[in-house]
Amino acid sequence: GAGVSQSPRYKVAKRGQDVALRCDPISGHVSLFWYQQALGQGPEFLTYFQNEAQLDKSGLPSDRFFAERPEGSVSTLKIQRTQQEDSAVYLCASSLTTGANVLTFGAGSRLTVL
Amino acid sequence: AQSVAQPEDQVNVAEGNPLTVKCTYSVSGNPYLFWYVQYPNRGLQFLLKYITGDNLVKGSYGFEAEFNKSQTSFHLKKPSALVSDSALYFCAVREAGNNRKLIWGLGTSLAVNP
Repeated sequence: GAGVSQSPRYKVAKRGQDVALRCDPISGHVSLFWYQQALGQGPEFLTYFQNEAQLDKSGLPSDRFFAERPEGSVSTLKIQRTQQEDSAVYLCASSLTTGANVLTFGAGSRLTVL
Repeated sequence: AQSVAQPEDQVNVAEGNPLTVKCTYSVSGNPYLFWYVQYPNRGLQFLLKYITGDNLVKGSYGFEAEFNKSQTSFHLKKPSALVSDSALYFCAVREAGNNRKLIWGLGTSLAVNP
């Protein structure tokens, strides 16, 4: 597609449920990033993929967070046993080149944990 | 520690007047600096970047930014504001020694009044 697509756009989960957030990057983009954006804050880095390799997962807040990009295109961010503090907008971005340069962002997935 | 500061939560300007959105940074080494804009219900969009070279960088939608090394600033400017420029603006710096991470400011909400 023409842009980065994220689904679902909105997700409400009960505390303790598992959720999966999907990102379809721009075709051919090497780099894929996940960010977490809390209300009134800037994006916070979660993890980085270069093709299918997860080269940096230092921003994942706990071992309940897991991301994959098995074929170097679509990526999924999974959150297990969701907690209220996980409520945020999860942003996916892709880039044609390696590293964080000119990023194209999706519209985000807003997660609300009750 | 590397950081980005956007000292103004909100900037108000009349349509047709010049606008400035401020950003200061703290980073070791040479900074890679970025401005992104976020419209409601849409993804962050790249505006412009400074890597090296001319201190005045021109970007999308008539925006420009001036890199000032002595003041560690990278203020965003536009000579004549439009109502459609009303949005949330984020400054970001790429972390030195880690080309995968962008460190983001908290954002500045720009309101352009007709």
